[in-house]
Amino acid sequence: KQEVTQIPAALSVPEGENLVLNCSFTDSAIYNLQWFRQDPGKGLTSLLLIQSSQREQTSGRLNASLDKSSGRSTLYIAASQPGDSATYLCAVSQGGSEKLVFGKGTKLTVNP
Amino acid sequence: NAGVMQNPRHLVRRRGQEARLRCSPMKGHSHVYWYRQLPEEGLKFMVYLQKENIIDESGMPKERFSAEFPKEGPSILRIQQVVRGDSAAYFCASSPTLLTEGAFFGQGTRLTVV
Repeated sequence: KQEVTQIPAALSVPEGENLVLNCSFTDSAIYNLQWFRQDPGKGLTSLLLIQSSQREQTSGRLNASLDKSSGRSTLYIAASQPGDSATYLCAVSQGGSEKLVFGKGTKLTVNP
Repeated sequence: NAGVMQNPRHLVRRRGQEARLRCSPMKGHSHVYWYRQLPEEGLKFMVYLQKENIIDESGMPKERFSAEFPKEGPSILRIQQVVRGDSAAYFCASSPTLLTEGAFFGQGTRLTVV
């Protein structure tokens, strides 16, 4: 059974810091991995999608890496801003299954 | 191209009533998924549907919950005889293919059972 863990559960940083969010999964037979952002009381916004054959994806100040063999992904946020404050969710899809398995998220607060 | 549309955004039901949650996928998407987010919990898969077919309902509670995605119209998640434990945020996602392009989520329906 696939399990996804995100560490830390919460993170508070001053504006301008570079930071790393971690995601680990127990079954390396994944189809892809997706990072989402969730604002309080809102839906999920897709940030980055990494296919199992890829090592990383970049979008603006965000960079996500994937090491499938070790069951890890990191989301790197450069030059953090208060507007980055949100909960960041990691989710994996298994080969042969349409389910996304989510971690519980990392709640990020960027202080001005 | 509008995103995934869910309605209502907020729904209050008394115990024992029925709740109907609607989801219109993005244009061109034929795969619909429902997830539930309980307070302080992660999102949990409930059901995966394609037009007129339930493909995987392994995450659905055995009783009171049902889902459909008719040929015409939105996907419906139906909860009969709601109980307080059904209070949660219910999210719908859609994708165009077998997750090769990732899943796109709606804003969710927040169900409160009083």
